[in-house]
Amino acid sequence: DGGITQSPKYLFRKEGQNVTLSCEQNLNHDAMYWYRQDPGQGLRLIYYSQIVNDFQKGDIAEGYSVSREKKESFPLTVTSAQKNPTAFYLCASTDRGGRSNQPQHFGDGTRLSIL
Amino acid sequence: RKEVEQDPGPFNVPEGATVAFNCTYSNSASQSFFWYRQDCRKEPKLLMSVYSSGNEDGRFTAQLNRASQYISLLIRDSKLSDSATYLCVVNKAILGSGNTGKLIFGQGTTLQVKP
Repeated sequence: DGGITQSPKYLFRKEGQNVTLSCEQNLNHDAMYWYRQDPGQGLRLIYYSQIVNDFQKGDIAEGYSVSREKKESFPLTVTSAQKNPTAFYLCASTDRGGRSNQPQHFGDGTRLSIL
Repeated sequence: RKEVEQDPGPFNVPEGATVAFNCTYSNSASQSFFWYRQDCRKEPKLLMSVYSSGNEDGRFTAQLNRASQYISLLIRDSKLSDSATYLCVVNKAILGSGNTGKLIFGQGTTLQVKP
């Protein structure tokens, strides 16, 4: 089945630890996105990538890092510099990114909590 | 002012009722508009795109008013399964430059359909 797979579903981070969230898509989409959602709030863009080997900061990139070495993969690292990482993290993708007005499709998310 | 504004609700309606949600957006350059549905603790899923002439999908009708910069979603004959949060989503575009490839998500409007 085509889709976006995020793992793990639940993740716990210790103080001072970096953790990496996985996002893989087999939709052959060019663009991929990472969002953070806090309870009762909308989605906020962390990072996005419109093409392999290129990515841009979103609205709340501080304390996060990404890479886009392969078209199908866009992992997000939550570093120890992110002081309030507890949130629901959502990965999305869309075909042709900035060159189209297509909707984004989401993975089922990763819930990150602090131990 | 938020780029996309929605009344968070909750809207509590009986089964069979007709309910309407509105959303306003501030970016006059935006060209693409969507409604997403998000169930509790799940990822957002595309409900429908919104076209200039208005469009219908079963019990759901979406309307766009570019002059007033608002979007609406009408749900007829509400079902218990319609209970969810509905997200208004607008593409981020820059006058003279076009689409940025980013979407802006409203905070969402919560609907609770009661038996």
